[in-house]
Amino acid sequence: DGGITQSPKYLFRKEGQNVTLSCEQNLNHDAMYWYRQDPGQGLRLIYYSQIVNDFQKGDIAEGYSVSREKKESFPLTVTSAQKNPTAFYLCASRPGTGAYEQYFGPGTRLTVT
Amino acid sequence: GENVEQHPSTLSVQEGDSAVIKCTYSDSASNYFPWYKQELGKRPQLIIDIRSNVGEKKDQRIAVTLNKTAKHFSLHITETQPEDSAVYFCAASISRDSNYQLIWGAGTKLIIKP
Repeated sequence: DGGITQSPKYLFRKEGQNVTLSCEQNLNHDAMYWYRQDPGQGLRLIYYSQIVNDFQKGDIAEGYSVSREKKESFPLTVTSAQKNPTAFYLCASRPGTGAYEQYFGPGTRLTVT
Repeated sequence: GENVEQHPSTLSVQEGDSAVIKCTYSDSASNYFPWYKQELGKRPQLIIDIRSNVGEKKDQRIAVTLNKTAKHFSLHITETQPEDSAVYFCAASISRDSNYQLIWGAGTKLIIKP
């Protein structure tokens, strides 16, 4: 999982502003995932992508958008439509067909005031 | 829809004792079951996993058992140590329209008492 980076580690934004969280991997993994984690809670899937130029909504996609223009990059935009965006955001990647394990980046803690 | 139930939500054990965390899944097609450990403020890290063609897997003090008939799997930690204190998550694989993802349990906070 050392090959997955997220930046920045901490991010502060004013309400009403869009913000983009970075996720990069140099593991040559095909699939990438974005999760949201609230304090004391589990992981909820926002979006995921199995291949370049293709992605699917997860369970809580409303108010978020993604792109997958390059295999190694899967940025997440938190839009002003997301009602409660303050959370810990985790990106993960998976090698591809036949490989099931997901490896996580260090996360970005977003605070919106 | 598919879900994974995890119990207990909090588990407190004496150092040196064993800890067991249990998960139940709903999708009979699930075939991969990982366990992750997450320390406070850190990323979840894969500690052990099992595939549906295996009933048990061990790695030093950690073991996972799978009962496909009952659709449940468990994490066993023996000789617990202070550094085992963390939140543990189980997950089960699902495939929707050829898109693969994990369904996660809600987590178990494991507290090791000195």
